[in-house]
Amino acid sequence: KQEVTQIPAALSVPEGENLVLNCSFTDSAIYNLQWFRQDPGKGLTSLLLIQSSQREQTSGRLNASLDKSSGRSTLYIAASQPGDSATYLCAVRGSSNTGKLIFGQGTTLQVKP
Amino acid sequence: NAGVTQTPKFRILKIGQSMTLQCTQDMNHNYMYWYRQDPGMGLKLIYYSVGAGITDKGEVPNGYNVSRSTTEDFPLRLELAAPSQTSVYFCASSSPAGPSSGANVLTFGAGSRLTVL
Repeated sequence: KQEVTQIPAALSVPEGENLVLNCSFTDSAIYNLQWFRQDPGKGLTSLLLIQSSQREQTSGRLNASLDKSSGRSTLYIAASQPGDSATYLCAVRGSSNTGKLIFGQGTTLQVKP
Repeated sequence: NAGVTQTPKFRILKIGQSMTLQCTQDMNHNYMYWYRQDPGMGLKLIYYSVGAGITDKGEVPNGYNVSRSTTEDFPLRLELAAPSQTSVYFCASSSPAGPSSGANVLTFGAGSRLTVL
């Protein structure tokens, strides 16, 4: 059974700092991995999707990497801003692409001005 | 450009009551999902559907039912509400494109907050 873990559960950094959020999964046979952002009381917004054949994806100040063999993904946020404050969740899709996404618990990020 | 629409946004139920959470998407996505999110937790998959007429259980299906009569709609039914079903419910959809396509990305609705007293 696939399990997804995100550490730390919460993180507080000063504005301008570069930071890394971690995601680990127990079954390396995944189809893809997706990072989401969730603002308080809101739905989820997709940030980046990495296919199993890819090593990383970039969007603006965000860079996500994937190491399937070790069961890990990281989300790197460069030059953090107060507007980046939110909960970040990672989710993995199983190898058959049946649509089942398994989520981690999320990391709540606070960027202080 | 509606995307995924969920109704209602908020609802309070008494124990034993029934209700249906509505979800509709206008992106012609084949895959649709229902998740629940408890405080401080990630999302747990309740049910999903890979196309009209096809549904399957997720991680936490007990106490819920779904149907998928059209591509656009995927309602979630609670038959006998229990306090353990107090949660925020999210509907999502995606298109099962090939591995090199970005269309595999999940699009979420804004959520439905349900309280069972």
